Amino acid sequence: EPEVTQTPSHQVTQMGQEVILRCVPISNHLYFYWYRQILGQKVEFLVSFYNNEISEKSEIFDDQFSVERPDGSNFTLKIRSTKLEDSAMYFCASTNSGSMYNEQFFGPGTRLTVL
Amino acid sequence: QKEVEQNSGPLSVPEGAIASLNCTYSDRVSQSFFWYRQYSGKSPELIMSIYSNGDKEDGRFTAQLNKASQYVSLLIRDSQPSDSATYLCAVTTNAGKSTFGDGTTLTVKP
Repeated sequence: EPEVTQTPSHQVTQMGQEVILRCVPISNHLYFYWYRQILGQKVEFLVSFYNNEISEKSEIFDDQFSVERPDGSNFTLKIRSTKLEDSAMYFCASTNSGSMYNEQFFGPGTRLTVL
Repeated sequence: QKEVEQNSGPLSVPEGAIASLNCTYSDRVSQSFFWYRQYSGKSPELIMSIYSNGDKEDGRFTAQLNKASQYVSLLIRDSQPSDSATYLCAVTTNAGKSTFGDGTTLTVKP
């Protein structure tokens, strides 16, 4: 069964460093999302991406964040200068349609720890 | 007011009982509603989706939607210890963006 994959599973970094989180969505999916979940808190939407551009972004997704689909398979989230409060689980999701009725398939997540 | 609000937990039920999880949402244009199960340290796993008023059943799970009351619920019949997890209610409006509630932690005691 196709699934969304994410690497690394755990990333530890120093405050102020840049990190890139990687996702491989399901191959025929066209819409991609990043969510984050701070420990003990709810899942929060960061950004949606379609046709090589951002469709929507939340207030959390400030200038420190960027997304890219560098090739036909990967979808990346870059945090330019990490802060302590960026420590969280980051989930990538994909779906084959932007319809609100379509299930989003979530990857296993990357745990980001900023020291 | 939170956009998606779930009944505060934790919720504890004995094995074999019915677990009832509730969710209210504030945006009347919301059209799609999802229940996810999340085990500690894992990603959300879809259990049920519901789009129309009424009930939708899938095995031991029943989702109920009342758009007039802006209310969606999930019933788990014959609860099993393996159902112990955090249940997330999510509401999708446009472009597939999902807004999640805080989650309700369910414990099913053997």
